[in-house]
Amino acid sequence: AQKVTQAQTEISVVEKEDVTLDCVYETRDTTYYLFWYKQPPSGELVFLIRRNSFDEQNEISGRYSWNFQKSTSSFNFTITASQVVDSAVYFCALSDPYGAGNMLTFGGGTRLMVKP
Amino acid sequence: DGGITQSPKYLFRKEGQNVTLSCEQNLNHDAMYWYRQDPGQGLRLIYYSQIVNDFQKGDIAEGYSVSREKKESFPLTVTSAQKNPTAFYLCASSRKWNSHEQYFGPGTRLTVT
Repeated sequence: AQKVTQAQTEISVVEKEDVTLDCVYETRDTTYYLFWYKQPPSGELVFLIRRNSFDEQNEISGRYSWNFQKSTSSFNFTITASQVVDSAVYFCALSDPYGAGNMLTFGGGTRLMVKP
Repeated sequence: DGGITQSPKYLFRKEGQNVTLSCEQNLNHDAMYWYRQDPGQGLRLIYYSQIVNDFQKGDIAEGYSVSREKKESFPLTVTSAQKNPTAFYLCASSRKWNSHEQYFGPGTRLTVT
């Protein structure tokens, strides 16, 4: 069975601080995909990134960066110089690309509050 | 603009009534999904459809029903058999059933009293 754990339920930072959101996953599959989604107060989930299990290269996109470490089954997300607009709930998710329906297994989410 | 629409944003019903939540997409995606989100929790899969006229149960299908008569539409009915129907419901779609990114609609918050 697949499982995603986001141990940090809530994080509060002051604007311009860097913040890292942790994600640890469990799967027996050798091929899988990892995702991060952002859920702002409006409720809609916004896709941020997809990473496949064969690509451990870290990725940077503007103020966002992701650190995938297969050895520790982690896929952490860092926001550099946080802004108030980053305040949202962030979800890490795992999918089995060959499983029925391409189902996503979500972590419980981390609520990030960025204060001015 | 292409996207996924869910209506209404807020829905109120009395206990014992069935209610249908709409989900429409104009992305020409084959696969569609329904998730439920409870306060402070992640999303759980209710039903999914890989292609028109086909759908499968997810992890928490009891008390729910769906149909997929058209590619762009995947309505979800919350029946009176669903014991705790109050929740936030999110619809998603992906290009093919094994495409990896799922794109989400704005959600419907259902309150049953």
